[in-house]
Amino acid sequence: DAKTTQPNSMESNEEEPVHLPCNHSTISGTDYIHWYRQLPSQGPEYVIHGLTSNVNNRMASLAIAEDRKSSTLILHRATLRDAAVYYCILRDYNDMRFGAGTRLTVKP
Amino acid sequence: ETGVTQTPRHLVMGMTNKKSLKCEQHLGHNAMYWYKQSAKKPLELMFVYSLEERVENNSVPSRFSPECPNSSHLFLHLHTLQPEDSALYLCASSRGQGGIFGYTFGSGTRLTVV
Repeated sequence: DAKTTQPNSMESNEEEPVHLPCNHSTISGTDYIHWYRQLPSQGPEYVIHGLTSNVNNRMASLAIAEDRKSSTLILHRATLRDAAVYYCILRDYNDMRFGAGTRLTVKP
Repeated sequence: ETGVTQTPRHLVMGMTNKKSLKCEQHLGHNAMYWYKQSAKKPLELMFVYSLEERVENNSVPSRFSPECPNSSHLFLHLHTLQPEDSALYLCASSRGQGGIFGYTFGSGTRLTVV
């Protein structure tokens, strides 16, 4: 599976936008970019995924670089409930393999 | 409620016990997965079932034995575990194995081996 690189941790203030970066320089043409998050003591939760175009849903936006070697998950207004570990994963036909993710702390 | 239900939520077992973890989904998904999450470590993929056939087994010790009797149910049978097997065990399902399909996870079973 292609690898992703994320910062270990990030901090944000409540009510402010958060941009979570992910580098995936070895992405293949058929890899989808998936984002999940995991709150304490819970299983991971699907956030968003895309292939080439930017994507929006009720939780977040996904901005994909034109060369697809990086992407950014955007939380438009962080809340305390968004504090979690965020995982960026490349997925083709193979199964989902998680890295360490980015631990997001949201300060009131 | 995520659509994937795992029972029990917590389990304490001795090293000589035999127990089973259960996972159930009624999302119409065709693939199911077991993951292990140890403290301060990334999730590790253990087993993959697609259309009730095991398609992947990631060098998991034989003291872990999966079973998928139908597309809605997945079990993980445990016997003679070690204390280092204590972890959060997560079940997930997806509509298919292609990259376009996302996963739905359960809340996990917190296992403690004493």
